[in-house]
Amino acid sequence: DTAVSQTPKYLVTQMGNDKSIKCEQNLGHDTMYWYKQDSKKFLKIMFSYNNKELIINETVPNRFSPKSPDKAHLNLHINSLELGDSAVYFCASSPDRDRANYGYTFGSGTRLTVV
Amino acid sequence: EDKVVQSPLSLVVHEGDTVTLNCSYEVTNFRSLLWYKQEKKAPTFLFMLTSSGIEKKSGRLSSILDKKELSSILNITATQTGDSAIYLCAVIPYTGTASKLTFGTGTRLQVTL
Repeated sequence: DTAVSQTPKYLVTQMGNDKSIKCEQNLGHDTMYWYKQDSKKFLKIMFSYNNKELIINETVPNRFSPKSPDKAHLNLHINSLELGDSAVYFCASSPDRDRANYGYTFGSGTRLTVV
Repeated sequence: EDKVVQSPLSLVVHEGDTVTLNCSYEVTNFRSLLWYKQEKKAPTFLFMLTSSGIEKKSGRLSSILDKKELSSILNITATQTGDSAIYLCAVIPYTGTASKLTFGTGTRLQVTL
């Protein structure tokens, strides 16, 4: 029933490891996003895909690579994890890039802790 | 670069009080302003404002946009402890990266008994 689901909900890992976070939406939306929320609760966009095409790529380290196998899935892979990557990562989706203000829906977040 | 500023950063009130949260923005090709409530998990949608001067209401919450002043307010009347949350304001532009939400830093509201 969950509209935008992310896994895992919690992820604790050591510095230098590679990890992935998965996101799936069952809303039939065309556009998906990854946002990062830091310790001060500031939400900032990282990436956006529209029908498997990358349309937003903010200034994030190359260690972060999104992958969209189909329009219902957008995964985030992070290489060589660093302490500063600790944050909550939110996946979101919207009907399409032009109607994004209608029905922008967030997943419940993945709390990543790098130790 | 688009910018959203919210004030106050945090607020503690007693149950039953009325609060007003502020949001100001600078954005190229403004399309809409959105308000979200974030408790422990995902931000949940409250309002979308596109036109100036038209109040949106949902129960004890209401919001209005002033495009001349590039700002919006969110009012909560007769606050309850369940209103305790972070309230996020975000703007979305029209063209280019039309799907990108730019968020403010949020207002942390705590309602005490």
